[in-house]
Amino acid sequence: DAKTTQPNSMESNEEEPVHLPCNHSTISGTDYIHWYRQLPSQGPEYVIHGLTSNVNNRMASLAIAEDRKSSTLILHRATLRDAAVYYCILTKGAQKLVFGQGTRLTINP
Amino acid sequence: GAVVSQHPSWVICKSGTSVKIECRSLDFQATTMFWYRQFPKQSLMLMATSNEGSKATYEQGVEKDKFLINHASLTLSTLTVTSAHPEDSSFYICSALTVGTNYGYTFGSGTRLTVV
Repeated sequence: DAKTTQPNSMESNEEEPVHLPCNHSTISGTDYIHWYRQLPSQGPEYVIHGLTSNVNNRMASLAIAEDRKSSTLILHRATLRDAAVYYCILTKGAQKLVFGQGTRLTINP
Repeated sequence: GAVVSQHPSWVICKSGTSVKIECRSLDFQATTMFWYRQFPKQSLMLMATSNEGSKATYEQGVEKDKFLINHASLTLSTLTVTSAHPEDSSFYICSALTVGTNYGYTFGSGTRLTVV
């Protein structure tokens, strides 16, 4: 499985945008880029996923580099409820998700 | 959207007993479900992949006789921790593949197992 690299932790302020980076230099052409987040004592929650083009949904935006070797999850206006561990995961279609260590995001009021 | 219901949310059991955790897809059929465990301050570790009507596929190092997985219907998968020991205390999470939404995955809310 292609691996992803994320910073261990990041900090931001409430109501400011947050850019969470993910490197995946060994990504293959059929790997989808998935983002999930996990709040304390809960199961992970789907955030967004994409293949080649940038994606937007009500939660976030996903910006994918042209060479696909990196991506950035963008939270446009962080709230305290966005404090969580964010996981960037590569997967080929309907296959298992293998979680790395993720980025622990702290939001300051 | 797709919902996965996991039950119970927490359980305390005595050493040597067995505990069953249920994972149900409420509004969709889940031919494939996944089981994870998570220790405090660690990431999720995949234990096994469960396919409806067939035997589960276990990840390396996971004892299949200790963690029994049954996926007898398209909406229900169960994980039974047999002869539980304190080291089995963990947060167990199930997930279902939501086919039809470009392969999104929906997770249950998790089960906190404490073995005393």
